[in-house]
Amino acid sequence: QVQLVESGGGVVQPGRSLRLSCAASGFTFSNYGMHWVRQAPGKGLEWVAVISYDGSSEDYADSVKGRFTVSRDNSKNTVYLQMNSLRPEDTALYYCAKDLPCDLWGQGTLVTVSS
Amino acid sequence: EIVLTQSPGTLSLSPGERATLSCRTSQRIISNSLAWYQQKPGQAPRLLMYGASNRATGIPDRFSGSGSATDFTLSISRLEPEDFAVYSCHQYAASPGTFGQGTKVEL
Repeated sequence: QVQLVESGGGVVQPGRSLRLSCAASGFTFSNYGMHWVRQAPGKGLEWVAVISYDGSSEDYADSVKGRFTVSRDNSKNTVYLQMNSLRPEDTALYYCAKDLPCDLWGQGTLVTVSS
Repeated sequence: EIVLTQSPGTLSLSPGERATLSCRTSQRIISNSLAWYQQKPGQAPRLLMYGASNRATGIPDRFSGSGSATDFTLSISRLEPEDFAVYSCHQYAASPGTFGQGTKVEL
């Protein structure tokens, strides 16, 4: 079954860290760039980060640059998002998505940053 | 970054009617690298169109996309009950990729 499944979300205090995971199945994971896109409650979609198919390059939105790191393990068909120095404005549903344009999305994992 | 502005914010229509959604970009989009997504409450976005006018796999032909440069349109020829949702455009021509704020098509 072709799918992406995110995990790792939760409630965290400002300034703390969280690592999200996205497990892929049903397609050749190592052939595709992978994205993280977030959606704050009641808001539109915001692109967060991308990692190339082989992990050799990454790019980030200015809003998370220097705080978030995207990585992948092609042997485990999994992409990660390490989120440090979290802020209340990072509160959102975080989706991973495949390729450009994003033709496959997970169901998302909710991150709430609150004291 | 390229800003995408969608209009209208909300479109109130009935089943069987035609819907026309607009997405305007602050800069010219090269190679028509613009996509449309549909999102229903509690669900992930679903790719509808890519390259401005190409339907994604499994998307019915009542959906069509058009436009170029800075003006793009998503049309739904005859609304079905399952089409009431939020539609977002997305430019992937330049980094950072950016999304419009969405158009809600409501009953």
